[in-house]
Amino acid sequence: DSGVTQTPKHLITATGQRVTLRCSPRSGDLSVYWYQQSLDQGLQFLIQYYNGEERAKGNILERFSAQQFPDLHSELNLSSLELGDSALYFCASSPHTGRYSNYGYTFGSGTRLTVV
Amino acid sequence: ELKVEQNPLFLSMQEGKNYTIYCNYSTTSDRLYWYRQDPGKSLESLFVLLSNGAVKQEGRLMASLDTKARLSTLHITAAVHDLSATYFCAVDGKEGSQGNLIFGKGTKLSVKP
Repeated sequence: DSGVTQTPKHLITATGQRVTLRCSPRSGDLSVYWYQQSLDQGLQFLIQYYNGEERAKGNILERFSAQQFPDLHSELNLSSLELGDSALYFCASSPHTGRYSNYGYTFGSGTRLTVV
Repeated sequence: ELKVEQNPLFLSMQEGKNYTIYCNYSTTSDRLYWYRQDPGKSLESLFVLLSNGAVKQEGRLMASLDTKARLSTLHITAAVHDLSATYFCAVDGKEGSQGNLIFGKGTKLSVKP
């Protein structure tokens, strides 16, 4: 157990639907990062939050959004889902903003999303 | 565009043999990360290399970083079946994009008896 908790582990939904993925960072970590892993695109950074504020944005679609709550857990909202959104979505956390961490980033076990 | 290239992408090894995975990157990043992923599982942090010339070892794995050459290597010594997994290297993205790790495509390692 890495200390980063993601729920649900698996999610199957239909095209056009909306889903919410949840992530609780490791205790004491202030930053949360979301990544998407797919066969064709590999691992791609989506977005980062630090202590409730958005800090960095990667290749995140406009249909996707995220937020970090006062208790530091984060949610990734995916809407108007398409078949191509099927992927493994990882959450990672780090103590600070990440770049100056000597400990790297701790990843959760992921949520496997299947859009049918 | 910042790129991270790993080779080989697939590696089939016999137990007891040695091999090296290479990771080249196009940015001037001064740190590099290695992760291991078992099928359908999370990414497990193996090494964080923080400076030029850094060398870290854990069991049969040893990682090194040459920031001038923009090259990191992951050396496997006397491979065992338990090392079968996909190995990723990653570097920090552009300045100001903390946590924006840029990953290589991964090297899928299969160790056979």
